[in-house]
Amino acid sequence: ETGVTQTPRHLVMGMTNKKSLKCEQHLGHNAMYWYKQSAKKPLELMFVYNFKEQTENNSVPSRFSPECPNSSHLFLHLHTLQPEDSALYLCASSQDQRASGTYEQYFGPGTRLTVT
Amino acid sequence: GENVEQHPSTLSVQEGDSAVIKCTYSDSASNYFPWYKQELGKGPQLIIDIRSNVGEKKDQRIAVTLNKTAKHFSLHITETQPEDSAVYFCAARAGANSKLTFGKGITLSVRP
Repeated sequence: ETGVTQTPRHLVMGMTNKKSLKCEQHLGHNAMYWYKQSAKKPLELMFVYNFKEQTENNSVPSRFSPECPNSSHLFLHLHTLQPEDSALYLCASSQDQRASGTYEQYFGPGTRLTVT
Repeated sequence: GENVEQHPSTLSVQEGDSAVIKCTYSDSASNYFPWYKQELGKGPQLIIDIRSNVGEKKDQRIAVTLNKTAKHFSLHITETQPEDSAVYFCAARAGANSKLTFGKGITLSVRP
């Protein structure tokens, strides 16, 4: 596996379900991100982790709960979602810009989430 | 905060022609401007980026130009091919402690 991988690629869940999205990066990076991509809207940054520590929560509802056990893995735990949460959820990784000064972010293929 | 605008939302060109996609940004402190290409069913792929200390950067058929005074930057694709058809996103960032702010994206269609 190379780059940034995400599983599952597609997920359909009811509003009362609990599910988790998984992201893994094979690039040796130490910063990881969750983005939400909805139709006709810019990419929305949700969470940022640097060296396993959450450094940004962009006012995301508590029904989305991130977890970063190490610099290579990132999870997004989902519970009691709403239909408007249906979207493509993208994971990205980069070097820690604060330390390296490099800015490039690399994205995974995304998980297409449908909440029914 | 930063605001990045992309216009128009769609662009159609004939194969072999050039395509130019423009973005404007609002924060004069922004110093990093990447472009991403997203094909159907895939995540955004970084295709080229530019920093504020240069005005132009080229990589084969693609180039990016930056006008800091006017606060806009453009993606230029020459000799377009059908496989260039995708959604293109521009973004801007005002330093290492700032987030990337994306535009809404433009759908480029290359007609064979």
